[in-house]
Amino acid sequence: GAGVSQSPSNKVTEKGKDVELRCDPISGHTALYWYRQSLGQGLEFLIYFQGNSAPDKSGLPSDRFSAERTGGSVSTLTIQRTQQEDSAVYLCASSFTSRDNEQFFGPGTRLTVL
Amino acid sequence: RKEVEQDPGPFNVPEGATVAFNCTYSNSASQSFFWYRQDCRKEPKLLMSVYSSGNEDGRFTAQLNRASQYISLLIRDSKLSDSATYLCVVRTGFQKLVFGTGTRLLVSP
Repeated sequence: GAGVSQSPSNKVTEKGKDVELRCDPISGHTALYWYRQSLGQGLEFLIYFQGNSAPDKSGLPSDRFSAERTGGSVSTLTIQRTQQEDSAVYLCASSFTSRDNEQFFGPGTRLTVL
Repeated sequence: RKEVEQDPGPFNVPEGATVAFNCTYSNSASQSFFWYRQDCRKEPKLLMSVYSSGNEDGRFTAQLNRASQYISLLIRDSKLSDSATYLCVVRTGFQKLVFGTGTRLLVSP
């Protein structure tokens, strides 16, 4: 079946611009997660959704970052007034329930802020 | 101190060799433990969960020592296709996964 999909696969933007990253989880998966991976760094947790609600936003690095999920499916991560340090690969993952151990990752969006 | 620590490597081994990776975690309340594999410029994929009693999946054996807060992965009879970065992952709390920075393995002919 179809896996987690993310778009765009690559995004180059200028400092100060806003960007939107999209994640389409596996059909039927209720839990959705956003992570980012900077060059040479481990994955950093950003936010977790159960259905449309976000019980854990603890990883969002600043108020320039926000995310929403509508209809219990697609999620959008928005970064306002991008900075060069926002450059990273943004990975989305989903799991069938929030108690499932295995999270299935999408291919990621590579964001470059010039 | 990072919550999950791994030796970044790289570990360079010949085909057929046995190689072991270690990982330590700092939060004693951690509940679940995993090894993920990440190929270059690809997304991470679950390799195996790690159980207290130790578990094996083919050529891969994982061990957990809760007292020492230590996790290991042993790969026997290494294949060229095993070349990848191996991520030690810990679940602490309800759902959050905490990833180590990974250990890079290079298997050569």
